[in-house]
Amino acid sequence: DVKVTQSSRYLVKRTGEKVFLECVQDMDHENMFWYRQDPGLGLRLIYFSYDVKMKEKGDIPEGYSVSREKKERFSLILESASTNQTSMYLCASSATGKPQETQYFGPGTRLLVL
Amino acid sequence: GENVEQHPSTLSVQEGDSAVIKCTYSDSASNYFPWYKQELGKRPQLIIDIRSNVGEKKDQRIAVTLNKTAKHFSLHITETQPEDSAVYFCAAGTSGYSTLTFGKGTMLLVSP
Repeated sequence: DVKVTQSSRYLVKRTGEKVFLECVQDMDHENMFWYRQDPGLGLRLIYFSYDVKMKEKGDIPEGYSVSREKKERFSLILESASTNQTSMYLCASSATGKPQETQYFGPGTRLLVL
Repeated sequence: GENVEQHPSTLSVQEGDSAVIKCTYSDSASNYFPWYKQELGKRPQLIIDIRSNVGEKKDQRIAVTLNKTAKHFSLHITETQPEDSAVYFCAAGTSGYSTLTFGKGTMLLVSP
């Protein structure tokens, strides 16, 4: 059974703080993703990684960076948090394969930036 | 890039009725169409998917249909139950590429 975990369920930060969101998967998946979920906007891809130390920008990468030093761990970094980054952040992972593989999601981190 | 439109944004039905959620996509290269269900406070989970070499797929009370020519696909839930209440997301992807483009979601409410 695939397990994707995120370091925090709820997080409150101040404007300008550097914020780290951590995601770990235990299924040896090559691909990992960070999404942002906002009401009425669905799931929007921030960054993804298809291998260790590899990263690709998604649809809304501005204000974010990522780190993937180990295969099982993918970190999302808010360099200087702003109030418009208040949101639910979802991590996901998938195996590499043809055809397309299922994405498995973590429980989410609800971030409030004050 | 791919654009996925999903309708309706909210859907209310009585228990036992059928529910249909529709999505359209823009990129003709897309060939993989999963549907995710997200219950309140929980993570999205895959409930069914379809690939472009198939026109319809069923799994008990849920079914998905795909019209490649019109670039649209739909989720059908029959005999709805209160536990079907959730937000449903459609998505589109392409074999060989790991990313998915999601629709904005449909909140389904099934009243007893």
